[in-house]
Amino acid sequence: NAGVTQTPKFQVLKTGQSMTLQCAQDMNHEYMSWYRQDPGMGLRLIHYSVGAGITDQGEVPNGYNVSRSTTEDFPLRLLSAAPSQTSVYFCASSFGQNNEQFFGPGTRLTVL
Amino acid sequence: AQSVTQPDIHITVSEGASLELRCNYSYGATPYLFWYVQSPGQGLQLLLKYFSGDTLVQGIKGFEAEFKRSQSSFNLRKPSVHWSDAAEYFCAVGMDSNYQLIWGAGTKLIIKP
Repeated sequence: NAGVTQTPKFQVLKTGQSMTLQCAQDMNHEYMSWYRQDPGMGLRLIHYSVGAGITDQGEVPNGYNVSRSTTEDFPLRLLSAAPSQTSVYFCASSFGQNNEQFFGPGTRLTVL
Repeated sequence: AQSVTQPDIHITVSEGASLELRCNYSYGATPYLFWYVQSPGQGLQLLLKYFSGDTLVQGIKGFEAEFKRSQSSFNLRKPSVHWSDAAEYFCAVGMDSNYQLIWGAGTKLIIKP
Protein backbone atom coordinates (compact mmCIF):
# COMPACT_ATOMS: atom_id res chain seq x y z
CA ASN A 1 0.00 0.00 0.00
CA ALA A 2 1.21 3.49 -0.85
CA GLY A 3 -0.93 4.97 1.97
CA VAL A 4 -1.70 8.65 1.45
CA THR A 5 0.06 10.36 -1.44
CA GLN A 6 0.20 14.06 -2.21
CA THR A 7 1.42 15.97 -5.23
CA PRO A 8 3.23 18.20 -5.77
CA LYS A 9 5.74 18.31 -2.90
CA PHE A 10 6.64 21.93 -3.55
CA GLN A 11 4.86 24.69 -5.44
CA VAL A 12 5.41 28.40 -5.97
CA LEU A 13 2.50 30.50 -7.19
CA LYS A 14 1.96 34.13 -7.98
CA THR A 15 -0.88 36.00 -6.34
CA GLY A 16 -4.11 35.37 -8.20
CA GLN A 17 -3.10 32.07 -9.76
CA SER A 18 -5.16 28.96 -9.20
CA MET A 19 -4.01 25.41 -8.67
CA THR A 20 -5.06 22.01 -7.39
CA LEU A 21 -3.27 20.01 -4.73
CA GLN A 22 -3.77 16.32 -5.29
CA CYS A 23 -4.40 13.73 -2.56
CA ALA A 24 -5.04 10.03 -2.96
CA GLN A 25 -5.31 7.10 -0.56
CA ASP A 26 -5.43 3.38 -1.27
CA MET A 27 -6.72 2.19 2.12
CA ASN A 28 -10.45 2.48 1.28
CA HIS A 29 -10.86 5.07 4.05
CA GLU A 30 -14.16 6.89 4.26
CA TYR A 31 -12.83 10.00 5.94
CA MET A 32 -10.40 12.39 4.30
CA SER A 33 -9.23 15.82 5.43
CA TRP A 34 -7.12 18.73 4.35
CA TYR A 35 -5.09 20.66 6.90
CA ARG A 36 -2.75 23.57 6.74
CA GLN A 37 0.20 23.86 9.09
CA ASP A 38 1.64 27.22 10.04
CA PRO A 39 4.39 27.84 12.61
CA GLY A 40 3.06 27.98 16.17
CA MET A 41 -0.51 27.21 15.11
CA GLY A 42 -0.56 23.45 14.86
CA LEU A 43 -2.86 21.95 12.26
CA ARG A 44 -5.98 23.74 11.12
CA LEU A 45 -8.70 21.90 9.27
CA ILE A 46 -9.63 23.36 5.88
CA HIS A 47 -12.20 20.89 4.50
CA TYR A 48 -13.11 17.31 5.14
CA SER A 49 -15.15 14.52 3.60
CA VAL A 50 -16.98 11.62 5.21
CA GLY A 51 -17.44 9.74 1.96
CA ALA A 52 -17.67 10.08 -1.80
CA GLY A 53 -19.93 12.97 -2.72
CA ILE A 54 -19.97 14.44 0.80
CA THR A 55 -17.78 17.34 1.88
CA ASP A 56 -17.92 19.94 4.62
CA GLN A 57 -16.02 22.98 5.80
CA GLY A 58 -13.49 22.98 8.56
CA GLU A 59 -12.02 25.81 10.58
CA VAL A 60 -10.39 27.78 7.72
CA PRO A 61 -12.24 27.05 4.44
CA ASN A 62 -12.13 30.47 2.77
CA GLY A 63 -10.27 30.51 -0.53
CA TYR A 64 -10.34 26.73 -0.94
CA ASN A 65 -12.67 24.29 -2.67
CA VAL A 66 -12.85 20.51 -2.49
CA SER A 67 -14.74 17.70 -4.15
CA ARG A 68 -14.87 13.96 -3.54
CA SER A 69 -15.99 12.08 -6.63
CA THR A 70 -14.30 8.82 -5.59
CA THR A 71 -13.32 7.21 -2.30
CA GLU A 72 -9.64 7.42 -3.25
CA ASP A 73 -9.20 11.04 -4.31
CA PHE A 74 -9.72 14.33 -2.48
CA PRO A 75 -8.24 17.29 -4.38
CA LEU A 76 -7.93 20.75 -2.85
CA ARG A 77 -8.34 23.73 -5.14
CA LEU A 78 -6.99 27.19 -4.50
CA LEU A 79 -9.21 29.52 -6.46
CA SER A 80 -7.11 32.70 -6.46
CA ALA A 81 -3.92 32.30 -4.47
CA ALA A 82 -3.00 34.89 -1.85
CA PRO A 83 0.23 35.29 0.17
CA SER A 84 -1.77 34.34 3.30
CA GLN A 85 -2.12 30.86 1.80
CA THR A 86 1.62 30.26 2.01
CA SER A 87 1.76 27.19 4.19
CA VAL A 88 2.38 23.47 4.34
CA TYR A 89 -0.67 21.46 3.37
CA PHE A 90 -1.38 17.96 4.64
CA CYS A 91 -3.96 15.49 3.48
CA ALA A 92 -5.09 12.79 5.89
CA SER A 93 -7.44 9.83 5.82
CA SER A 94 -9.01 7.57 8.43
CA PHE A 95 -11.25 4.55 8.54
CA GLY A 96 -13.87 6.17 10.72
CA GLN A 97 -14.68 9.03 13.00
CA ASN A 98 -12.05 9.52 15.73
CA ASN A 99 -9.84 6.75 14.40
CA GLU A 100 -6.16 7.14 13.63
CA GLN A 101 -5.52 9.57 10.81
CA PHE A 102 -2.89 8.67 8.24
CA PHE A 103 -1.06 11.64 6.81
CA GLY A 104 0.52 12.32 3.46
CA PRO A 105 4.03 13.81 3.22
CA GLY A 106 2.73 17.34 2.68
CA THR A 107 2.89 20.05 0.03
CA ARG A 108 4.90 23.19 0.74
CA LEU A 109 3.19 26.08 -1.03
CA THR A 110 4.61 29.57 -1.42
CA VAL A 111 2.49 32.38 -2.82
CA LEU A 112 4.43 35.43 -3.98
CA ALA B 1 -15.42 25.94 22.91
CA GLN B 2 -13.23 22.89 22.92
CA SER B 3 -9.50 23.51 22.95
CA VAL B 4 -6.18 21.75 23.35
CA THR B 5 -3.21 23.37 25.07
CA GLN B 6 0.40 22.31 24.83
CA PRO B 7 2.02 24.82 27.16
CA ASP B 8 5.61 24.19 26.10
CA ILE B 9 6.62 25.46 22.66
CA HIS B 10 10.13 24.04 22.99
CA ILE B 11 11.65 21.53 25.38
CA THR B 12 15.35 20.69 25.57
CA VAL B 13 16.37 17.37 27.11
CA SER B 14 19.71 15.65 27.39
CA GLU B 15 20.06 12.33 25.61
CA GLY B 16 19.25 9.55 28.06
CA ALA B 17 17.14 11.76 30.31
CA SER B 18 13.43 11.30 30.88
CA LEU B 19 10.81 13.30 29.05
CA GLU B 20 7.32 14.56 29.78
CA LEU B 21 5.32 16.63 27.29
CA ARG B 22 2.16 18.22 28.59
CA CYS B 23 -1.27 18.32 26.98
CA ASN B 24 -4.42 19.76 28.50
CA TYR B 25 -7.83 19.85 26.89
CA SER B 26 -11.13 21.54 27.42
CA TYR B 27 -14.13 19.28 26.76
CA GLY B 28 -17.07 18.27 28.92
CA ALA B 29 -17.18 14.56 28.15
CA THR B 30 -14.47 11.94 27.82
CA PRO B 31 -12.58 12.69 24.63
CA TYR B 32 -10.60 10.55 22.25
CA LEU B 33 -6.94 11.47 22.76
CA PHE B 34 -4.00 11.20 20.42
CA TRP B 35 -0.31 11.99 20.31
CA TYR B 36 1.37 12.38 16.93
CA VAL B 37 5.02 12.97 16.06
CA GLN B 38 6.35 14.94 13.10
CA SER B 39 9.97 14.56 12.10
CA PRO B 40 11.49 17.47 10.14
CA GLY B 41 10.05 17.70 6.65
CA GLN B 42 7.75 14.75 7.19
CA GLY B 43 4.08 14.09 7.71
CA LEU B 44 2.60 13.16 11.06
CA GLN B 45 2.73 9.68 12.56
CA LEU B 46 0.54 8.35 15.36
CA LEU B 47 2.44 7.56 18.57
CA LEU B 48 -0.49 6.41 20.69
CA LYS B 49 -4.17 6.93 21.37
CA TYR B 50 -6.66 6.66 24.21
CA PHE B 51 -10.30 5.82 23.64
CA SER B 52 -11.35 4.09 26.88
CA GLY B 53 -10.19 1.60 29.49
CA ASP B 54 -6.75 1.64 31.09
CA THR B 55 -5.70 5.24 31.48
CA LEU B 56 -2.02 4.44 30.89
CA VAL B 57 -1.46 3.68 27.23
CA GLN B 58 1.64 2.41 25.53
CA GLY B 59 2.71 3.56 22.10
CA ILE B 60 5.43 3.10 19.58
CA LYS B 61 9.08 4.03 20.06
CA GLY B 62 8.90 3.51 23.84
CA PHE B 63 6.41 6.32 24.51
CA GLU B 64 3.52 6.17 26.95
CA ALA B 65 0.81 8.59 28.00
CA GLU B 66 -1.55 8.82 30.94
CA PHE B 67 -5.10 10.13 30.81
CA LYS B 68 -6.06 12.02 33.96
CA ARG B 69 -9.70 12.96 33.87
CA SER B 70 -9.52 15.12 36.99
CA GLN B 71 -6.79 17.25 35.44
CA SER B 72 -8.09 17.12 31.84
CA SER B 73 -4.61 16.05 30.82
CA PHE B 74 -2.95 13.51 28.57
CA ASN B 75 0.79 13.89 29.12
CA LEU B 76 3.31 12.02 27.00
CA ARG B 77 6.32 10.39 28.65
CA LYS B 78 9.45 8.51 27.77
CA PRO B 79 11.92 7.21 30.37
CA SER B 80 15.06 7.75 28.28
CA VAL B 81 15.18 9.85 25.12
CA HIS B 82 17.36 9.16 22.12
CA TRP B 83 18.73 11.69 19.64
CA SER B 84 16.29 10.29 17.06
CA ASP B 85 13.37 11.51 19.21
CA ALA B 86 14.10 15.10 18.19
CA ALA B 87 10.88 16.13 16.45
CA GLU B 88 7.70 18.07 16.96
CA TYR B 89 4.94 16.44 19.00
CA PHE B 90 1.26 17.19 18.66
CA CYS B 91 -1.61 16.36 20.97
CA ALA B 92 -5.07 16.04 19.42
CA VAL B 93 -8.56 15.55 20.82
CA GLY B 94 -11.60 14.03 19.17
CA MET B 95 -15.19 14.16 20.32
CA ASP B 96 -18.27 12.04 19.70
CA SER B 97 -20.19 15.07 18.53
CA ASN B 98 -17.78 16.19 15.88
CA TYR B 99 -15.56 14.50 13.34
CA GLN B 100 -13.00 17.27 13.50
CA LEU B 101 -9.94 16.68 15.65
CA ILE B 102 -8.81 19.64 17.72
CA TRP B 103 -5.03 20.04 17.61
CA GLY B 104 -2.55 21.55 20.01
CA ALA B 105 0.06 23.96 18.67
CA GLY B 106 2.83 21.41 19.12
CA THR B 107 5.96 21.05 21.24
CA LYS B 108 9.35 20.94 19.60
CA LEU B 109 11.71 18.52 21.34
CA ILE B 110 15.42 19.30 21.19
CA ILE B 111 17.91 16.67 22.32
CA LYS B 112 21.25 17.75 23.81
CA PRO B 113 24.12 15.33 23.24
